[in-house]
Amino acid sequence: AQRVTQPEKLLSVFKGAPVELKCNYSYSGSPELFWYVQYSRQRLQLLLRHISRESIKGFTADLNKGETSFHLKKPFAQEEDSAMYYCALAPTNAGKSTFGDGTTLTVKP
Amino acid sequence: GAGVSQTPSNKVTEKGKYVELRCDPISGHTALYWYRQSLGQGPEFLIYFQGTGAADDSGLPNDRFFAVRPEGSVSTLKIQRTERGDSAVYLCASSAYMNTEAFFGQGTRLTVV
Repeated sequence: AQRVTQPEKLLSVFKGAPVELKCNYSYSGSPELFWYVQYSRQRLQLLLRHISRESIKGFTADLNKGETSFHLKKPFAQEEDSAMYYCALAPTNAGKSTFGDGTTLTVKP
Repeated sequence: GAGVSQTPSNKVTEKGKYVELRCDPISGHTALYWYRQSLGQGPEFLIYFQGTGAADDSGLPNDRFFAVRPEGSVSTLKIQRTERGDSAVYLCASSAYMNTEAFFGQGTRLTVV
């Protein structure tokens, strides 16, 4: 069975501070990992995926297979980063994705 | 339109009634996904279409739920004999191919009273 755990429901940081949103997963194979973001009153959208190894809006995420984690990090948070963040897992060559329950990030001025 | 469109945006129905939720994917996208999101939870997979066929319907909770995509474009999620526990936001997403970037619709909020 595949499972994604985001241990923090809420996370609050000050502008300019580093931020890390945690994601742990369980899956027996080699999955693809994603981070999705939902800004206020907007639809869910892809932020980044581990195979692209990109930095999007200053965010990065490293897949740690030993710890089965895919934490999302940004060195200097901005107020516009305030949103709901979801970590998701998809088996390779399968359409189904499993989502975590999300973390609400608030960046205070 | 350029994005995934879902109609209606809100639907209130009485327990026991039948409902249909529609999804218009991005033109040319072969993969289409339905998810259900309850309050305080992440999206929960329901069904995935590749073209006209349901490639994976393992997430449909029971036989009251059914989805079709007859021409490989628009999809309809059908719920029979609705129950209060079916109340949720139903999300549709499409992607060019399986496991490429998925684009989500704004969702249909279903309330069963």
